[in-house]
Amino acid sequence: DTAVSQTPKYLVTQMGNDKSIKCEQNLGHDTMYWYKQDSKKFLKIMFSYNNKELIINETVPNRFSPKSPDKAHLNLHINSLELGDSAVYFCASSQDYQSYNEQFFGPGTRLTVL
Amino acid sequence: AQKVTQAQTEISVVEKEDVTLDCVYETRDTTYYLFWYKQPPSGELVFLIRRNSFDEQNEISGRYSWNFQKSTSSFNFTITASQVVDSAVYFCALSEAGGYQKVTFGTGTKLQVIP
Repeated sequence: DTAVSQTPKYLVTQMGNDKSIKCEQNLGHDTMYWYKQDSKKFLKIMFSYNNKELIINETVPNRFSPKSPDKAHLNLHINSLELGDSAVYFCASSQDYQSYNEQFFGPGTRLTVL
Repeated sequence: AQKVTQAQTEISVVEKEDVTLDCVYETRDTTYYLFWYKQPPSGELVFLIRRNSFDEQNEISGRYSWNFQKSTSSFNFTITASQVVDSAVYFCALSEAGGYQKVTFGTGTKLQVIP
């Protein structure tokens, strides 16, 4: 059983399109995250949700809209895709939002915008 | 603001050699947590270790060991007798206590172990 799963694994789309990435965790964790990893492997947090509530919202264009229907799911919708959005997007979860918790990562979604 | 520096972008070693991955961090907090994660070629990040700022004891887990030194703000990772399966990108990360967990990752060190 996969602990943190993401779909799709690969996403290739044209500039200007809208796309969504889904994430689910079966660990019973309260907190979930979205990270963006660029081509140089730099990993940066985008959003964090705790029990369906947004708790971290980094400087991300408002074309990116996360949604957490329940604490086991965190989806990411991206409007009007741009070339610079091409990256690998990772979903992660942790027990709760405390700083000492390790995070469990999904397999990543490689988004390519043409 | 917190910052993590991994000065080594890429390291290549021959199998069975020992290798140390450096990590230097900056934080104004007195309570914080340091992590190492491994990202193998398959892409998924895997947690390796956590250390809190009050525990400077070194840790050994099999061929892996970690050296935490507050005096130099470093949290280095050594792999002894490296194996091809150790080939991966390794990330050092920092999380300050208080508030919501916001982890700052270093830029990663790509380790290639040559058979």
